Amino acid sequence: QQPVQSPQAVILREGEDAVINCSSSKALYSVHWYRQKHGEAPIFLMILLKGGEQKGHDKISASFNEKKQQSSLYLTASQLSYSGTYFCGTLDQTGANNLFFGTGTRLTVIP
Amino acid sequence: EAGVAQSPRYKIIEKRQSVAFWCNPISGHATLYWYQQILGQGPKLLIQFQNNGVVDDSQLPKDRFSAERLKGVDSTLKIQPAKLEDSAVYLCASTENRGAAGYTFGSGTRLTVV
Repeated sequence: QQPVQSPQAVILREGEDAVINCSSSKALYSVHWYRQKHGEAPIFLMILLKGGEQKGHDKISASFNEKKQQSSLYLTASQLSYSGTYFCGTLDQTGANNLFFGTGTRLTVIP
Repeated sequence: EAGVAQSPRYKIIEKRQSVAFWCNPISGHATLYWYQQILGQGPKLLIQFQNNGVVDDSQLPKDRFSAERLKGVDSTLKIQPAKLEDSAVYLCASTENRGAAGYTFGSGTRLTVV
């Protein structure tokens, strides 16, 4: 039930854009996105509920394609502070309220 | 608001010893989770509580792991006896609304079994 993320790792220069994808084999109720810096707890970024919505704040946004069971996280004009590992978490429609985390995408932003 | 509190921050034990972790969730959050995160991987759910009741412990290795949440607030996770493969970070998280709100994670306990 673990969602698959791509790419596994990406290196950006400050100001560049990146897209991280999350794909599940299950029909999804919602998708969460978290960022985790080395040695720290995952920090909640946003949640997308079924309905194909797109959300965002500042220069980080995400979309959720319910039909394809996919979500994408968009980081624009990246900053050094964006570095970390990004995880998507998925809740499926079986009624189980357990978040399954993806494999993670390590993002490194360099000056 | 105060975050999710966990202790200890680090723990080193020998295999076959026992260890316990403590978690205090955000006040008012009825749902509490324990996750195990092995280095380089995403967090893996061990157990979910709703108030003081267990909602899902299907992925908890019950022969050695146990958890409780007395009075629906604090929670403890115990491993007895520990194995080398239990070395990981144990994260506690809470949420105010299962399924429709983000999770707030504690800083975790880094367990090393030698």
